Amino acid sequence: ETGVTQTPRHLVMGMTNKKSLKCEQHLGHNAMYWYKQSAKKPLELMFVYNFKEQTENNSVPSRFSPECPNSSHLFLHLHTLQPEDSALYLCASSQDSAGKLFFGSGTQLSVL
Amino acid sequence: QKEVEQNSGPLSVPEGAIASLNCTYSDRGSQSFFWYRQYSGKSPELIMSIYSNGDKEDGRFTAQLNKASQYVSLLIRDSQPSDSATYLCAVKLTGGGNKLTFGTGTQLKVEL
Repeated sequence: ETGVTQTPRHLVMGMTNKKSLKCEQHLGHNAMYWYKQSAKKPLELMFVYNFKEQTENNSVPSRFSPECPNSSHLFLHLHTLQPEDSALYLCASSQDSAGKLFFGSGTQLSVL
Repeated sequence: QKEVEQNSGPLSVPEGAIASLNCTYSDRGSQSFFWYRQYSGKSPELIMSIYSNGDKEDGRFTAQLNKASQYVSLLIRDSQPSDSATYLCAVKLTGGGNKLTFGTGTQLKVEL
């Protein structure tokens, strides 16, 4: 298994749908992150979990709901999204707060 | 002022030349700096980290840090077409915990 795996790779959803993104890391790291990447914008940090406890919520709308059942798994539950939420959603992990992030391959999300 | 600034490019260099990528940051107290490479359609991958003033070399890559002037740069010697990618500068801001703040990235094109 590669270090950080994300599923699905691509997702198209309507504004009334509910879907979930999944991330799993096999690196033994204790911190996991969700980032959003939109065209021409910097990577935006959404959520941080340390030892499965949420330590950062970067003013993310409630239509995005994270879940971290253990240090290896991270989910992002999506509901009633808007077209402007279309973006690449990246999961990452790191050991402690070293700042060295290992990214998954991302989920390209399109909201119609 | 943006917290981390990069010229979006594209920066075009001929094969074999030195590519110089620059990044400035606003938080004078920042201590940790990272360069990530992102190929088109792929996720970012860490290529360099630097914490002290001066140069840090790793193969064809050299990171340079000047905290007094608040800039960090990445030099790529003997540039190859495979180096064509977007290079993201990331800074761990003071009091940011696990949070990395990214620039928008500089697109590098190495031409034959």
